[in-house]
Amino acid sequence: EAQVTQNPRYLITVTGKKLTVTCSQNMNHEYMSWYRQDPGLGLRQIYYSMNVEVTDKGDVPEGYKVSRKEKRNFPLILESPSPNQTSLYFCASSGTGGQPQHFGDGTRLSIL
Amino acid sequence: DQQVKQNSPSLSVQEGRISILNCDYTNSMFDYFLWYKKYPAEGPTFLISISSIKDKNEDGRFTVFLNKSAKHLSLHIVPSQPGDSAVYFCAASGASGTYKYIFGTGTRLKVLA
Repeated sequence: EAQVTQNPRYLITVTGKKLTVTCSQNMNHEYMSWYRQDPGLGLRQIYYSMNVEVTDKGDVPEGYKVSRKEKRNFPLILESPSPNQTSLYFCASSGTGGQPQHFGDGTRLSIL
Repeated sequence: DQQVKQNSPSLSVQEGRISILNCDYTNSMFDYFLWYKKYPAEGPTFLISISSIKDKNEDGRFTVFLNKSAKHLSLHIVPSQPGDSAVYFCAASGASGTYKYIFGTGTRLKVLA
């Protein structure tokens, strides 16, 4: 089954404690992306990757890092999380940048 | 500065009638537009898209219209069904030749049986 898998699905943590949200897709997609969803703000793109070792900033990259060492994986790293990064995060992928994206089911992060 | 706007946070429609969801954008360089549907506790799912070289795209009950001069797109759902009740996001891409996506804030559609 074609899917985008995010882990963990839920996480409560504290300010400053580094965390990584993993994202994996099994569709051999070149394009992968991270979004956050906040009330009243919709979905905002954090980072995207056109292919292995190629990443670029979305609209709200501050406080986040990504890496794309393998085609299937695109982890989101919060080096020093802060409460304003409490949000619902989605990973997505598509064959290329100009195609509709498949989304994961989301990761709810709470940073206290 | 919100480049993609969905000015109606919510919409209620009777089953069987037409649902029209609207989206406005400010960047004339966008060349690819999409609509996604989102149910609670799930990720968004792709519904329909349109390239800037077209003004209409149809897929079953769903039609997207693009008015480039007005920088406006709309999603028509005919006939509306209770299962269409969800949050709908429009998205735009292609500005500056990049694959950076800008999403609207979403419209919650409720189809009443």
